[in-house]
Amino acid sequence: QKEVEQNSGPLSVPEGAIASLNCTYSDRGSQSFFWYRQYSGKSPELIMFIYSNGDKEDGRFTAQLNKASQYVSLLIRDSQPSDSATYLCAVNTFGDYKLSFGAGTTVTVRA
Amino acid sequence: NAGVTQTPKFQVLKTGQSMTLQCAQDMNHNSMYWYRQDPGMGLRLIYYSASEGTTDKGEVPNGYNVSRLNKREFSLRLESAAPSQTSVYFCASSPTGGAGYTEAFFGQGTRLTVV
Repeated sequence: QKEVEQNSGPLSVPEGAIASLNCTYSDRGSQSFFWYRQYSGKSPELIMFIYSNGDKEDGRFTAQLNKASQYVSLLIRDSQPSDSATYLCAVNTFGDYKLSFGAGTTVTVRA
Repeated sequence: NAGVTQTPKFQVLKTGQSMTLQCAQDMNHNSMYWYRQDPGMGLRLIYYSASEGTTDKGEVPNGYNVSRLNKREFSLRLESAAPSQTSVYFCASSPTGGAGYTEAFFGQGTRLTVV
């Protein structure tokens, strides 16, 4: 069983809409959760991290974590064409130096 | 501020050839990582170095070796390249404070083709 699963996409949303990305993980010991954005042909860049249950907002991005359900999500509000990219969910267990990545969800924002 | 620098950016190898991918970071980070990325597979960890002087296997280490040359540099070697090693390779580094894992910073990637 893959450790980190993401909805496969691709996800197409109109400009100005909310894009909702989901991620589930199998290791209950996971403590740190990250969302990376990767433009085509580029390297991943961190956009959000979350450690505690609940919501964390940063500009148009909101990360949501539910450790009981082993679920983390990313909402992109007021989606822009510049948000078109692949979004990677990554998970880490406390004291472990490794990040486990999901396969990514590709988002296309239609103008 | 260069961040994480990988060389080369592109490489074509013949089956059986060897090569070393170089990675250097100038952020004084303790931990460094090598990932490979294949279509539909996300990023898979090959090897990592939690601190200078240590290296450990990741998820897909077969066919690779690494060297943590010093705190700045972490190289990945393919001893006998195979077509299955065709991929995009990313080096990353992380400060990893006492609380465990923190943000990883990625290099620009090396696109390797083995024919």
